[in-house]
Amino acid sequence: DQQVKQNSPSLSVQEGRISILNCDYTNSMFDYFLWYKKYPAEGPTFLISISSIKDKNEDGRFTVFLNKSAKHLSLHIVPSQPGDSAVYFCAASNSGYALNFGKGTSLLVTP
Amino acid sequence: NAGVMQNPRHLVRRRGQEARLRCSPMKGHSHVYWYRQLPEEGLKFMVYLQKENIIDESGMPKERFSAEFPKEGPSILRIQQVVRGDSAAYFCASSRDRGLFSNQPQHFGDGTRLSIL
Repeated sequence: DQQVKQNSPSLSVQEGRISILNCDYTNSMFDYFLWYKKYPAEGPTFLISISSIKDKNEDGRFTVFLNKSAKHLSLHIVPSQPGDSAVYFCAASNSGYALNFGKGTSLLVTP
Repeated sequence: NAGVMQNPRHLVRRRGQEARLRCSPMKGHSHVYWYRQLPEEGLKFMVYLQKENIIDESGMPKERFSAEFPKEGPSILRIQQVVRGDSAAYFCASSRDRGLFSNQPQHFGDGTRLSIL
């Protein structure tokens, strides 16, 4: 019962270009969405979040877009940097605390 | 990930033994969450605790798993009579208050990698 899906296991982008990571969800009761970044052998690090009452949230190079009708959100990273290479997890919640994670997308930013 | 401390980082147990995983939340945080990540999977919520209280354990397996967050000391995730399928990375997260807000998301530790021989 995977309620949060990240259908692209990996993505490769050139440095300086835009990285777009996608996430779909099935539970229409989700009201808060987050993106986490994870390096090997470390825990997830919070990047950016968005409430279901918004459709866009921006923080520096990171922007999250939410399309509730399509049950889809995306993370845009502009410009991409080699240090952005990591696994990115999309997460959603309707309980206020329990996060439902996708399986992650491995981003590689090449020089 | 500075702040949430998990130990040990790696734990090896034989089938039938007990595993104890510890988590010290960030300073000032009184809410603790445990997640499990199986290979090639996303993190799965297990349990949410406040000091001396289990708030939600809906993600915990019904048998062999238990969690506590005593008044003093770290939160403990205990797995009795471990089996091969318990091999996973176990992550602890903490937050200052209940609820998900952009200024106080859950902060994760670096996890405990549990291997069952």
